[in-house]
Amino acid sequence: DSGVTQTPKHLITATGQRVTLRCSPRSGDLSVYWYQQSLDQGLQFLIQYYNGEERAKGNILERFSAQQFPDLHSELNLSSLELGDSALYFCASSLAYSDGYTFGSGTRLTVV
Amino acid sequence: DAKTTQPTSMDCAEGRAANLPCNHSTISGNEYVYWYRQIHSQGPQYIIHGLKNNETNEMASLIITEDRKSSTLILPHATLRDTAVYYCIVRFDNFNKFYFGSGTKLNVKP
Repeated sequence: DSGVTQTPKHLITATGQRVTLRCSPRSGDLSVYWYQQSLDQGLQFLIQYYNGEERAKGNILERFSAQQFPDLHSELNLSSLELGDSALYFCASSLAYSDGYTFGSGTRLTVV
Repeated sequence: DAKTTQPTSMDCAEGRAANLPCNHSTISGNEYVYWYRQIHSQGPQYIIHGLKNNETNEMASLIITEDRKSSTLILPHATLRDTAVYYCIVRFDNFNKFYFGSGTKLNVKP
């Protein structure tokens, strides 16, 4: 157990739908990062939050959004889902500006 | 962030040392070298990082050349559980995100 909790572990939904992925960071960590990993693809950075504020954006589609709440948990919202959105979505957390990230075990999203 | 070049895949016999190379010829003076690995579809796992000096921890050793243009991750006694994709990443400082490349698929064989 890395200390970063992601729910749900698996999610199957239909095209056009909207889903919310949840991440609870490791205790004490203020930064949360979201990554997408499609089948046989590398990890793509999506977005970073620090203490409730957006700090950096990567290759995140406009149909996707995220937020970090006062208790520091984060949610990634994916809307108007397409087949190509099927992927593993990882959340990672870190101290304010620390050496490395701690990753969660991911949410596997399947869009049918 | 500087780009890195890694071999696509490598094989290693169980119990032997696994030496994974990484080229980062455009690295700048303040960029750190990080190594992560991803076992199957699990979340990536931090291994080690360094700036100039060689580093060692309970998992691995990191050897950085004097000109810092390349580095080698060493797993001293590879086991079957070390079979994974290993990512070499350079990062300017703690403010920057980690950008993962394609990595090296290490196959540890009995």
